[in-house]
Amino acid sequence: DAGVIQSPRHEVTEMGQEVTLRCKPISGHNSLFWYRQTMMRGLELLIYFNNNVPIDDSGMPEDRFSAKMPNASFSTLKIQPSEPRDSAVYFCASSFWGEQFFGPGTRLTVL
Amino acid sequence: AQSVTQLGSHVSVSEGALVLLRCNYSSSVPPYLFWYVQYPNQGLQLLLKYTSAATLVKGINGFEAEFKKSETSFHLTKPSAHMSDAAEYFCAVSEGGQGAQKLVFGQGTRLTINP
Repeated sequence: DAGVIQSPRHEVTEMGQEVTLRCKPISGHNSLFWYRQTMMRGLELLIYFNNNVPIDDSGMPEDRFSAKMPNASFSTLKIQPSEPRDSAVYFCASSFWGEQFFGPGTRLTVL
Repeated sequence: AQSVTQLGSHVSVSEGALVLLRCNYSSSVPPYLFWYVQYPNQGLQLLLKYTSAATLVKGINGFEAEFKKSETSFHLTKPSAHMSDAAEYFCAVSEGGQGAQKLVFGQGTRLTINP
């Protein structure tokens, strides 16, 4: 298995632009998680899905952030419009029974 | 609600010395517990997990952890540190008990190995 796949690995954009991060979970996993990691705030859970349904989005910082999971093999995290304070590493993880498997992350820089 | 406290945001040991990273948890139900490791510029990787079987859990790279219910602890140890162990380590507890999907992570402990 290829593991959790995230794209792009690096993204540099300008303030105000729309950013879309993508994630392909491990086949057979029924839960998907989006995290954000920064030096100041550490690892934060943004949102998670169970069987493609959003269960807890309390970590989504504001309305500029949205996430979708149209099917069991794909999810997106969108930021519109982006701001410099959104600069971070964004991780996607998937799980079947407790243990989460993390992707390599997308390093986002908003100028 | 479940929570995790990692004592010490930075730990430094000499190569060959004992590694001890502390984790205490709070859970109202029997938990699953995890240790993850993050190497620079990489995602988190599972080191080991406790799922209510043996209280002493062995993981990858020579690490092990012991679940102590009376102390609500799940400390991570390795008898002899290697330079390649330098990384950040995260303890996590399953929210909602065993089998729950959401994990609550500690703030992480950065391990430095001195030659």
